[in-house]
Amino acid sequence: RKEVEQDPGPFNVPEGATVAFNCTYSNSASQSFFWYRQDCRKEPKLLMSVYSSGNEDGRFTAQLNRASQYISLLIRDSKLSDSATYLCAVNMGSWGKLQFGAGTQVVVTP
Amino acid sequence: GAVVSQHPSWVICKSGTSVKIECRSLDFQATTMFWYRQFPKQSLMLMATSNEGSKATYEQGVEKDKFLINHASLTLSTLTVTSAHPEDSSFYICSASTPSDRGWETQYFGPGTRLLVL
Repeated sequence: RKEVEQDPGPFNVPEGATVAFNCTYSNSASQSFFWYRQDCRKEPKLLMSVYSSGNEDGRFTAQLNRASQYISLLIRDSKLSDSATYLCAVNMGSWGKLQFGAGTQVVVTP
Repeated sequence: GAVVSQHPSWVICKSGTSVKIECRSLDFQATTMFWYRQFPKQSLMLMATSNEGSKATYEQGVEKDKFLINHASLTLSTLTVTSAHPEDSSFYICSASTPSDRGWETQYFGPGTRLLVL
């Protein structure tokens, strides 16, 4: 089993709709979690950290479920510019080392 | 804040040559920098963890003599791909970590370097 797993998608989302997807992790000792966004042929960009109480940043909401060992990302009122691959990342302990999922592709259509 | 630069952005070289990539944290000091490689339509693969003033820690399967990492200061790490071959062609991305406002080490990525070995 991979340490961090994501549904690769693609999730085809009409503009204005809501989309949500999860990321499961295997290391129960992981302490910090992140969502990154990666556009085609570009570097990952930090979207948001995931706090244990859940957190929201504009149209984006991240949740952590420690019992079931997954994090989620919800995008409301999807924009065309939200089309990207969303990578989840889980802290591996030392030095801020992260384990990345393979990414979930989101395609927002007009 | 938390800007990371990487240079060069593109490299095309002949097989057998060495290529040096620089990664700089521009507005913060990064104790730790990371080097990743990403092949088309694949996920990020961590190559090594680089700490300032000490030897890099390489991931399993990554040849340390082929991918030389130097982390001379808190703002600069370099990756040298020695004797590059076509199979080394890839997207190389560095990241630098810094504590967030909640104290977690958070990684910020450079724009990446596309290497094409002919």
